[in-house]
Amino acid sequence: DAGITQSPRYKITETGRQVTLMCHQTWSHSYMFWYRQDLGHGLRLIYYSAAADITDKGEVPDGYVVSRSKTENFPLTLESATRSQTSVYFCASSIAGSSYEQYFGPGTRLTVT
Amino acid sequence: AQTVTQSQPEMSVQEAETVTLSCTYDTSESDYYLFWYKQPPSRQMILVIRQEAYKQQNATENRFSVNFQKAAKSFSLKISDSQLGDAAMYFCAYGSGGGADGLTFGKGTHLIIQP
Repeated sequence: DAGITQSPRYKITETGRQVTLMCHQTWSHSYMFWYRQDLGHGLRLIYYSAAADITDKGEVPDGYVVSRSKTENFPLTLESATRSQTSVYFCASSIAGSSYEQYFGPGTRLTVT
Repeated sequence: AQTVTQSQPEMSVQEAETVTLSCTYDTSESDYYLFWYKQPPSRQMILVIRQEAYKQQNATENRFSVNFQKAAKSFSLKISDSQLGDAAMYFCAYGSGGGADGLTFGKGTHLIIQP
């Protein structure tokens, strides 16, 4: 049972390049989320999705794009990476109508040079 | 917007002792959940304990318990009989709106266990 996976686990890219972080969950959870974690900020919500083809902006969406064509996948794209987007990115999922408990992927450490 | 505040950037406790991590939050909602997540050096986010706002009884999970003061908007985590494996970052988190719009996290408390 793979649960929720993220790929790649580590990525180094250059300023201005497009990069996509992948998130896949095997539970068929309706809700999916992307967070970024920076020192001194905890986790901040980038985008979230209530179902396939339904996405919405979180606290820090600028510079990011998401899509959700299938329930199990929720890719996050940095269209033109900047150094300020160097961070650890977490994908999470949860069951609709549940206790709000979120299940997190292992995270992707992204470095933009 | 909801906010979650963890006022202790770092805490230290002797092994086998008890430690309490503080968390306060601000909300105008009546229906919400509160969580404590643990993040060890592996970076994995692990749910420690969950509290439903409508429940007056404080949640307990083995050595972990909370003191939920709804009127004061306070949600502290008590770890009893601290173990070396408890060393980690601990995040307090808030969720409302049916759970679809994500959690709001505090900035975290780094817990050090002294052997």
